[in-house]
Amino acid sequence: QKEVEQDPGPLSVPEGAIVSLNCTYSNSAFQYFMWYRQYSRKGPELLMYTYSSGNKEDGRFTAQVDKSSKYISLFIRDSQPSDSATYLCSIQGAQKLVFGQGTRLTINP
Amino acid sequence: DTGVSQDPRHKITKRGQNVTFRCDPISEHNRLYWYRQTLGQGPEFLTYFQNEAQLEKSRLLSDRFSAERPKGSFSTLEIQRTEQGDSAMYLCASSPIGAYNEQFFGPGTRLTVL
Repeated sequence: QKEVEQDPGPLSVPEGAIVSLNCTYSNSAFQYFMWYRQYSRKGPELLMYTYSSGNKEDGRFTAQVDKSSKYISLFIRDSQPSDSATYLCSIQGAQKLVFGQGTRLTINP
Repeated sequence: DTGVSQDPRHKITKRGQNVTFRCDPISEHNRLYWYRQTLGQGPEFLTYFQNEAQLEKSRLLSDRFSAERPKGSFSTLEIQRTEQGDSAMYLCASSPIGAYNEQFFGPGTRLTVL
């Protein structure tokens, strides 16, 4: 079993839709949960991170962590074509980051 | 631009050749990480440095791979006797003291082994 599981998609939605991206993880010791955005042929860009359970909001983005079910989510409101990218969930395991496979998202105008 | 930089951005080599990549982290970030990413997958951890000390190496880092960070500034990743399976994007990241979960990535070096 992989430490972090993420549905690879692809996911295609119309502009303005609410997008939900999800990951599950196996190690209950993880404390920090990150979301990265990666455009084609670019390095990952840190979007936001959360510590422990709860929600964190940053503009149109909301990150949610449920440690009891080992489930993390990223919600994108009022999605824009510029949000089209691959979204990677990541969890800090010891000193390194463990990544999910990434979900490829396309927002259609 | 004060972000993480990597050089070269692309490298095409023949099987059996040696290659070396360079990473310049964000200044004053004391931790530097190397990851490898293959098509359709998330990045996988290879190794990390705190200042000039290499503190952890993944089992993915075979004997053909070596990384250095002299003087705790830039880092190099060398692959000897490249194989086709080494073809991937090699990503470097750095993080500041006390915020090791906040890793900032460079643009990557895309390696193609023919």
